[in-house]
Amino acid sequence: DQQVKQNSPSLSVQEGRISILNCDYTNSMFDYFLWYKKYPAEGPTFLISISSIKDKNEDGRFTVFLNKSAKHLSLHIVPSQPGDSAVYFCAASPYGGSQGNLIFGKGTKLSVKP
Amino acid sequence: KAGVTQTPRYLIKTRGQQVTLSCSPISGHRSVSWYQQTPGQGLQFLFEYFSETQRNKGNFPGRFSGRQFSNSRSEMNVSTLELGDSALYLCASSLAGLSGNTIYFGEGSWLTVV
Repeated sequence: DQQVKQNSPSLSVQEGRISILNCDYTNSMFDYFLWYKKYPAEGPTFLISISSIKDKNEDGRFTVFLNKSAKHLSLHIVPSQPGDSAVYFCAASPYGGSQGNLIFGKGTKLSVKP
Repeated sequence: KAGVTQTPRYLIKTRGQQVTLSCSPISGHRSVSWYQQTPGQGLQFLFEYFSETQRNKGNFPGRFSGRQFSNSRSEMNVSTLELGDSALYLCASSLAGLSGNTIYFGEGSWLTVV
């Protein structure tokens, strides 16, 4: 039973436009969420996180939105750049981020075309 | 500040053998977690160690084990290797004990079982 779902395996966006990556979760105990970016043969790189007490967190070109009632979060990248092309993973934690146990979605491959 | 360091980066083992992977966390980080990434299952949590004690455990057979040393360095061991154990093994570290922690990943160890 997948507790964190990224229903779009891939997404293609034109350079300069907005990329929106979506993530749904089923476990209402999750209270901390993170987004990671991953290139092939490398470890995941942390992008941005959000606590369940917030509904938005912004860091430069990256914004994460959390809708607790819908158990849905999304990552917005504006403007998208070719270097953003990678696999993006959504991850959730039931411990407020205080422990290292993360549940990951299966990822969305983003392609940003020049 | 050095990141999470994993050794070896690549290794090939034969079915039935055992393997030990090593992880050095970011200086000051007390939590070390291990994850397995395969094409079919995505990123799956193996276990987490904090202050030399296993704090969380994922749903993997007993052939997968780990330990943490007093300097927070960690090792994971897989005994009686099977072909399905071929995967990227990722180590992650965090300060832990605090809400809203960022969890940082190493580059991973690529294990191929033949």
